[in-house]
Amino acid sequence: DARVTQTPRHKVTEMGQEVTMRCQPILGHNTVFWYRQTMMQGLELLAYFRNRAPLDDSGMPKDRFSAEMPDATLATLKIQPSEPRDSAVYFCASGLVNGGRAVKETQYFGPGTRLLVL
Amino acid sequence: DAKTTQPNSMESNEEEPVHLPCNHSTISGTDYIHWYRQLPSQGPEYVIHGLTSNVNNRMASLAIAEDRKSSTLILHRATLRDAAVYYCILRSQGGSEKLVFGKGTKLTVNP
Repeated sequence: DARVTQTPRHKVTEMGQEVTMRCQPILGHNTVFWYRQTMMQGLELLAYFRNRAPLDDSGMPKDRFSAEMPDATLATLKIQPSEPRDSAVYFCASGLVNGGRAVKETQYFGPGTRLLVL
Repeated sequence: DAKTTQPNSMESNEEEPVHLPCNHSTISGTDYIHWYRQLPSQGPEYVIHGLTSNVNNRMASLAIAEDRKSSTLILHRATLRDAAVYYCILRSQGGSEKLVFGKGTKLTVNP
């Protein structure tokens, strides 16, 4: 079974430190999403990429968050500097879109990175 | 994106059918109805989707009202492993691929 992988699975850090989360999308998928889940806000989309180019990052705090896709097999989400309010579970998902339409009408989610900022 | 309304929680007994409702009165003609679920400590997973006709797959069935203003996800025989939060989401055909999650319905399955 092809799966989305995320590392690390858990991260505890202190306020002010840089945090980098990594995601390996399913091979062949060309669209990658980053979501954040908290008890208060639920699941929210932070950003997403198609063919490694950012399409929408309107959900992401611009001053401290950055998302990139160095290559087709790796997506990164960085927080610098981190703050306690960034504590959440961060999910990566991937999908396949062709010609503006989802080839498969599904997104495949990774297991998430659980981040705690003290 | 059009909004969906789901009950906060539901309970079921193991091996009994479960009907999870979703209201989407402002649905447009090009909106697909998607269901995802999130098991405890896992990422969401796709369950089923449909446009107008009822749909069946190995996980569940989706019954869509004739006016499309509501739908029901049907788990034919609930198991303990079906305990999860179920999300009903509308996605426009040809629109953005992004999913907008609401609060969902937390399903508890009693042994």
